[in-house]
Amino acid sequence: GAVVSQHPSRVICKSGTSVKIECRSLDFQATTMFWYRQFPKKSLMLMATSNEGSKATYEQGVEKDKFLINHASLTLSTLTVTSAHPEDSSFYICSAMTSRGVTYEQYFGPGTRLTVT
Amino acid sequence: AQKVTQAQTEISVVEKEDVTLDCVYETRDTTYYLFWYKQPPSGELVFLIRRNSFDEQNEISGRYSWNFQKSTSSFNFTITASQVVDSAVYFCALSEAGGNQFYFGTGTSLTVIP
Repeated sequence: GAVVSQHPSRVICKSGTSVKIECRSLDFQATTMFWYRQFPKKSLMLMATSNEGSKATYEQGVEKDKFLINHASLTLSTLTVTSAHPEDSSFYICSAMTSRGVTYEQYFGPGTRLTVT
Repeated sequence: AQKVTQAQTEISVVEKEDVTLDCVYETRDTTYYLFWYKQPPSGELVFLIRRNSFDEQNEISGRYSWNFQKSTSSFNFTITASQVVDSAVYFCALSEAGGNQFYFGTGTSLTVIP
C-alpha cells in the first residue's frame, strides 16, 4: 500500500524556537496533503489543506502565520511551527491524497510528537 | 454539528468478550465514504476499513466485522473474541464526495483486560 512518512517522529524544542515537520509521500504523487493536530485523548482536528504549488487553506481558528505550510512538490509538504510555545505541544499527523481512477485515496503519516519546553 | 459521533468514550472488556463500537454519521451527500481507524499508543493511524455509501453489505475480516445501516446512519464495528492487542483508540471517519476532508469522530478508547 501507499506509504506516507513524517520526519521527525519526535521533537523537543525550546519555547520561542521554530520547528519544521516534513511529510512525504514515498511511492505516489500527492496533489493534496492535509495537516491534522491531535491533543492527548482527543480526536484529530484538521488544521489546513495543502495543495502543491499554491497557498494552503487553513481551518478557522488556525493561525497561518504560526503554522507555516509549504507544499513545494508533489511528494513533500512541510509544516513549520514558528515561535513555538508549550501550548503548541501536540501530535501532528499529515495525510496525502492521490487519485485512484474516479475516487481519491488518502493515506496517513505516522505522526510527529512535538514537545515544547 | 458533529458529522461523526462516537458516543462511547471508553470501553473496557475482558479478553475473549465481544465488543461493539458505535458510530453514527451525518451527511447530506448521497455519495460518501466511511472509515474505521485504529490508533495504538504509538499514535500511528492504522487503516481498518473503507466503505462507500452505495455498498451496504456487512463486512467481516477475521475477528472484525462492520455493520453499515444507512437507515440509521450508523457504521458500527464489532470485535469478536477480543484480545489484549486490540486495546487502542478507534476512530470512525466520514469523507464526503466532492470534498477531501475527513471528519473524525471523537474516538472510543478500548481496553481489553487479560
